[in-house]
Amino acid sequence: DAKTTQPPSMDCAEGRAANLPCNHSTISGNEYVYWYRQIHSQGPQYIIHGLKNNETNEMASLIITEDRKSSTLILPHATLRDTAVYYCIVRVHTGTASKLTFGTGTRLQVTL
Amino acid sequence: SQTIHQWPATLVQPVGSPLSLECTVEGTSNPNLYWYRQAAGRGLQLLFYSVGIGQISSEVPQNLSASRPQDRQFILSSKKLLLSDSGFYLCAWNSRSTPLHFGNGTRLTVT
Repeated sequence: DAKTTQPPSMDCAEGRAANLPCNHSTISGNEYVYWYRQIHSQGPQYIIHGLKNNETNEMASLIITEDRKSSTLILPHATLRDTAVYYCIVRVHTGTASKLTFGTGTRLQVTL
Repeated sequence: SQTIHQWPATLVQPVGSPLSLECTVEGTSNPNLYWYRQAAGRGLQLLFYSVGIGQISSEVPQNLSASRPQDRQFILSSKKLLLSDSGFYLCAWNSRSTPLHFGNGTRLTVT
C-alpha cells in the first residue's frame, strides 16, 4: 500500500471550513484514497473515499489533485463534534480483505 | 442496514488470565472480518483478518489468536494475558461493495 503523510495536528474555528491535507506521492493507478476519523474512545468512522474525481457526501468533500499525489478532506462548516483524529489511507478497493493500515493521522481540534 | 456489535466495552483482567472478545455483524453475509489493536496515542495495528468461516490470517505474531466459528462471528482470544496486551481492540468488517466499518471497541486493561 502507498504510504501517506499527514500533519500531526491542526486547529480550526467552529463554523469555518477545515481543510485536512494528505500526501500520497507513491499512489498507484488503482489505489483509492480513503478518509476515516476517530473520536476519542470510539471506533474509526468511515467518511469518504475516491479514486481521481472529487467526491462529496453529507459529511465532507474530498479533493484529489490531478496527479493524484495529494488530497484534501474538507469539512465545510466545522463544529465542536468534528474534533477527532483524521486518517488518510490509500488502498486498492477490492472485495478481498482490504487490510487497511492506519498511521497516526491528524488530530483536528475545533475551537469556539 | 448493516451493524457491527462488539463486547464488552471495557474489561480489566489480571495477568495470566484468559481472554475472549466477541464481535458479530448483522445485515450482511460472508463479510471480511478484522481485529485491530490501538495502543494509547498510537495508530491502529491489524492483528487478524478473515475472509470466511474457519479462515484466519495473522498479521502479527503474538500472544493472541482469532477464530471465526460462524459467518458473522469473530472472536479474539488469549490463554494467558500479558501486561503488553492492554489496549483498545477494534473489530471491523467490509465487503466487495462496502468500505471498512468498525465497532465501538473494547478497552482492555491487564493488571
